[in-house]
Amino acid sequence: DAGVIQSPRHEVTEMGQEVTLRCKPISGHNSLFWYRQTMMRGLELLIYFNNNVPIDDSGMPEDRFSAKMPNASFSTLKIQPSEPRDSAVYFCASSSSDSGGSFNEQFFGPGTRLTVL
Amino acid sequence: GNSVTQMEGPVTLSEEAFLTINCTYTATGYPSLFWYVQYPGEGLQLLLKATKADDKGSNKGFEATYRKETTSFHLEKGSVQVSDSAVYFCALSTYSSASKIIFGSGTRLSIRP
Repeated sequence: DAGVIQSPRHEVTEMGQEVTLRCKPISGHNSLFWYRQTMMRGLELLIYFNNNVPIDDSGMPEDRFSAKMPNASFSTLKIQPSEPRDSAVYFCASSSSDSGGSFNEQFFGPGTRLTVL
Repeated sequence: GNSVTQMEGPVTLSEEAFLTINCTYTATGYPSLFWYVQYPGEGLQLLLKATKADDKGSNKGFEATYRKETTSFHLEKGSVQVSDSAVYFCALSTYSSASKIIFGSGTRLSIRP
């Protein structure tokens, strides 16, 4: 299995531009998570989906951030317009959550390093 | 609410030293507990887990025991190697939110040759 795939791996853009980050979860996984990691704030959960439905988006910092999951094999995180304070590493993770509520391991992608100038 | 508190880093040790990274938690009900590790330039990966009180999780020489009475899950290794240099995250998940994991702030570990 290829694992969780994220693209691009690095993105440099100018303030005000739209940024789209992409994620392909592991085949068969039905939960997908977007995290942001910075030195100042550590690892933050932005949003997560179960069966393509957003379950908790309370971590999304503001309306400039939006996430979609149109199907089980693809998700996007969009920032429009981007600002320098959005510079961070963005991780996507996926897991397979059974109906019994037991824990299933989250598998992380390699991350997208975003720099907003 | 549910939360995880772990010792602040960075932690710097010499090779073959004994490692302890403290972790305590607050949770409603009976959480599952985990340690994740992040190597430089990579995403997080599960290191070990314990799903009930007194369970011991172990992997790659690392161990952690689920202590319900002290609400702790301290990470230990008897003899660290340079390759163990990474950031370590303590985390928990509860039955009511099995998909979601609450992560601690992470502890950066550096091992000197």
